[in-house]
Amino acid sequence: GAGVSQSPRYKVAKRGQDVALRCDPISGHVSLFWYQQALGQGPEFLTYFQNEAQLDKSGLPSDRFFAERPEGSVSTLKIQRTQQEDSAVYLCASSLLAGEAKNIQYFGAGTRLSVL
Amino acid sequence: RKEVEQDPGPFNVPEGATVAFNCTYSNSASQSFFWYRQDCRKEPKLLMSVYSSGNEDGRFTAQLNRASQYISLLIRDSKLSDSATYLCVVNRGYGQNFVFGPGTRLSVLP
Repeated sequence: GAGVSQSPRYKVAKRGQDVALRCDPISGHVSLFWYQQALGQGPEFLTYFQNEAQLDKSGLPSDRFFAERPEGSVSTLKIQRTQQEDSAVYLCASSLLAGEAKNIQYFGAGTRLSVL
Repeated sequence: RKEVEQDPGPFNVPEGATVAFNCTYSNSASQSFFWYRQDCRKEPKLLMSVYSSGNEDGRFTAQLNRASQYISLLIRDSKLSDSATYLCVVNRGYGQNFVFGPGTRLSVLP
């Protein structure tokens, strides 16, 4: 596709429910990032993949958060036993890892998660 | 001290005004610097990369001062369409771990 695609756009979950958020990066982009953005704040880094390898997961706030990218393209961020503090917009971004475009991230529209 | 700090804003300026935003970062090993803009309830989009020698793109000028660990963004001749939140982005100096500042909100008024 032309850009980074995320689904669902909106998700309402009851506290304790598991959720799965999907990210479809730009075709050919090696790097994939997940961020969490609370209202009025900048995006906070969660994790980073280079192809299928998860090279940095230092930003995942707890072991309830898990991300995967098994074939090096589509990625899923899973949150188990959701809590109210998990309510945020979850942004996915992808980038090339070469040339002048290196490190420039292209973001999806995000998934707005509300935990009730 | 936060890793990336920005002017808290909001900045309310008339059309045609010149406005400058400041950003400081704490990690001296940081190598990559960017300004992104984010419209309300939209995703961040790259405005410009920031190079050591400073760079300009139309009405926008970015400066980097490594010694002071400081980045700036200057917008000349502000347009209504410049109204957005401006995010300063810095890498942590290793891999692809990026830190976003909290953002500075700009409103350009008619």
